[in-house]
Amino acid sequence: GEDVEQSLFLSVREGDSSVINCTYTDSSSTYLYWYKQEPGAGLQLLTYIFSNMDMKQDQRLTVLLNKKDKHLSLRIADTQTGDSAIYFCAETLGADGLTFGKGTHLIIQP
Amino acid sequence: DSGVTQTPKHLITATGQRVTLRCSPRSGDLSVYWYQQSLDQGLQFLIQYYNGEERAKGNILERFSAQQFPDLHSELNLSSLELGDSALYFCASSVALGNRNEQFFGPGTRLTVL
Repeated sequence: GEDVEQSLFLSVREGDSSVINCTYTDSSSTYLYWYKQEPGAGLQLLTYIFSNMDMKQDQRLTVLLNKKDKHLSLRIADTQTGDSAIYFCAETLGADGLTFGKGTHLIIQP
Repeated sequence: DSGVTQTPKHLITATGQRVTLRCSPRSGDLSVYWYQQSLDQGLQFLIQYYNGEERAKGNILERFSAQQFPDLHSELNLSSLELGDSALYFCASSVALGNRNEQFFGPGTRLTVL
């Protein structure tokens, strides 16, 4: 089966790093994605990683993939108030639809 | 702005009714995906079309159907509506088939069934 699991909430202080974790169960997944959803808005694609990679960095975002443990994480450096949103991890086997986690609410404390 | 447009933004209707949601993909994108987002089920993939043909089905109810037209816009039809169909419906598009499959989402249509 295909299940993607994430913690529901993460609270961090402004300026600290945020690490959002995700566990997926389908080892056949080829690409893994992180999406951001702000209140009342659609989903914004943040970044993705191919399954044969261990790490991908894009400005303040770092994605780490541990394929053996089926664990994916998103690190946001220097977290700002504008980073407050729901972050979704998603996987795909290919051209089919994405399978999403329930989303992690990132709460920024001043 | 992802380039994907959806209409209407909000829709309020009654149980038993039928509604049509519309999506225009990004220019050049051939694949269109429909998703439902609800509090209890989260984000669920419903159906995918590629260049006018149905490509993949997810957790789509038999009361729901979709199509993609020659100009590549897509419509999701929801019939015999129930209270539990109240949700946000998102459309996403991507360039083509293939594993990379970067999907860009529209702003969504919020459906309320009373």
